[in-house]
Amino acid sequence: SYLLTQPPSVSVAPGKTARITCGGYNIGSKGVHWYQQKPGQAPLLVIYYDSDRPSGIPERFSGSNSGNTATLTVSRVEAGDEADYYCQVWDSSSDHQVVFGGGTKLTVL
Amino acid sequence: EVQLVQSGAEVKKPGESLKISCKGSGYRFTSYWIAWVRQMPGKGLEWMGIIYPGDSDTRYSPSFQGQVTISADKSISTAYLQWSSLKASDTAMYYCARHGGAARPLDYWGQGTLVTLSS
Repeated sequence: SYLLTQPPSVSVAPGKTARITCGGYNIGSKGVHWYQQKPGQAPLLVIYYDSDRPSGIPERFSGSNSGNTATLTVSRVEAGDEADYYCQVWDSSSDHQVVFGGGTKLTVL
Repeated sequence: EVQLVQSGAEVKKPGESLKISCKGSGYRFTSYWIAWVRQMPGKGLEWMGIIYPGDSDTRYSPSFQGQVTISADKSISTAYLQWSSLKASDTAMYYCARHGGAARPLDYWGQGTLVTLSS
């Protein structure tokens, strides 16, 4: 089955830029979605199809995807961005299933 | 407004059965898949399976095949996740989410149902 690898944690000072990576074999050929989950809340879609933002998500959130790595970038980080972030793809191999990365805890220093 | 509203928290004993629900509103329930996602305490998201309420087509993650049953009643816009015999390891938060199918995102999520196993 397809594996997605994320760093367990990323730390960044307020106002700086955070980059969260999601590694997978030839992930650049897949559409990657990103979810934000704050403590005690359900996940929230923040980026879909690599770089599109749902309505209501700040422009500070952006994404890219190429080769074996997809990246979620959070610019001008705020305290309210502190959360767990998960990448997700659709595995179109024989399993045909949704696959999540292990998640990255973003800490705002 | 799209909403997925899940049933309330449950406390059960190992060996008991359980069925939790997810009611959709604000969209055509039969035109989108419903996914179920498990989150064990302090852990990440795990995809369990999906159902298409339009025709009840159901797919399971190999990790959950045979462990749970996913169903839906399109007449009341509700999807279900059920266990016939719970185990202590089933303690977790369970989310339903709307899924456009295949490579599309899980764009709306329910609030979650906490299932706690206690002997």
